[in-house]
Order: sequence, then C-alpha cells, then structure tokens
Amino acid sequence: GAGVSQSPRYKVAKRGQDVALRCDPISGHVSLFWYQQALGQGPEFLTYFQNEAQLDKSGLPSDRFFAERPEGSVSTLKIQRTQQEDSAVYLCASSLGQGALLLNYGYTFGSGTRLTVV
Amino acid sequence: AQSVTQLGSHVSVSEGALVLLRCNYSSSVPPYLFWYVQYPNQGLQLLLKYTSAATLVKGINGFEAEFKKSETSFHLTKPSAHMSDAAEYFCAVTDNQAGTALIFGKGTTLSVSS
Repeated sequence: GAGVSQSPRYKVAKRGQDVALRCDPISGHVSLFWYQQALGQGPEFLTYFQNEAQLDKSGLPSDRFFAERPEGSVSTLKIQRTQQEDSAVYLCASSLGQGALLLNYGYTFGSGTRLTVV
Repeated sequence: AQSVTQLGSHVSVSEGALVLLRCNYSSSVPPYLFWYVQYPNQGLQLLLKYTSAATLVKGINGFEAEFKKSETSFHLTKPSAHMSDAAEYFCAVTDNQAGTALIFGKGTTLSVSS
C-alpha cells in the first residue's frame, strides 16, 4: 500500500479483555517499530522487528504485551488482560532501511490505533 | 542514555510571526536528531533530520533547525507562521547504532492565531 495502515483506528476494551492491534507496513519495508503514545506525551518505543525477527523488545511495559511479525510483513501487537493504564494511541512505523541505513531511509508512521480501556 | 527535552508544552504565535520551538538533547554519542509534526488523528510526519552533515538543516513547509553541539540544542524555526502550521511538534533523538529506536520529547503544541 501507499502508507502504513493500522487497524482498528479505535478500540474500546473492558478492563481484563485481550486486544489485538494490526499494522500493515509499506510493502517491502524491512524494519517495523511499535510505539505507545499516552495522552499528552510523546511516543515511547515498545519493540522493533527486522523482517520476522524481533530484535528489540525492551520497551514492552509488561509480559501482558506481546508482538509478532511471523512472515516479515504484517505485525500484530497483543495486549492481554488490559488495564486502564494501557489506554493510549499505539503507533506503528516501518522503514525500507535496516541497521545503520534506517537513518538514511527514515521511518513512515501509521495513523495509530487509539485504545481506551474502561 | 539518550533523551530530549522540549521547553514549553504550548507555544502561541500570530500568523506571520516567527516560530521557535525549543529542543535540547542529551546523548553520550554523536546524535541523530529529528523533528516530526503530528496533526490531529494522524501519524507523525518528518519535518527534517540532522545526521551529522550540515548543522543547519532545511525541512519541509519552510521549517529549519540548527544543530548546536555547544548548547546541545536543535531548535526548530520558521520565519513566518501560517495557520496550517498549528499542530503538535516532536523532537526525537537516536544514535547510529543499528536498530536503535527514536526517543521522543513530550511534544510542543503550536497554536497560530489570525
């Protein structure tokens, strides 16, 4: 596609419910990032994939958060037993570059999924 | 550890006035610095980036930023504000390590009045 597509755009979950957020990166983009943006804050790094390999998951806030990219394209961020503090916009970004070339190619961000936990 | 500090969570200017959004960074290695803009309900759009070439970086929509190592700053400027510039602006930093993610500031909301 022309851009990074995220679905759903909005998700309301009851506390304790599991949710799955989807990211369709630009075709051919090797690198994929997930970020969490709380209200009034800047995005915070969650995890990074290079193709299907999850190279960095240091930003995942708890073991309730899990991300996968099994075929090196579409990625899913799963949050188990959602809590109110999980309410945020979840942004996905992809890049044609990898490693040091990430900075040359840059990142393209999706519009995000706004998760509200009630 | 790397970090960025954006001074002023909200900046208001009149249309046609100078825009100055402040960003200071902290990094133990030569940084790569970025400015992104975010319009409501949209993703982040890159305005410009510094990657150790020229210290004065020109971006889209008439914005530019100057990397000042002595001041650890990367302030964003635009000579004349337009109503369409009203948005949230984020400064971000990373280093040259492979796969390193962007570290964002908390953002500055720019309001432009007529």
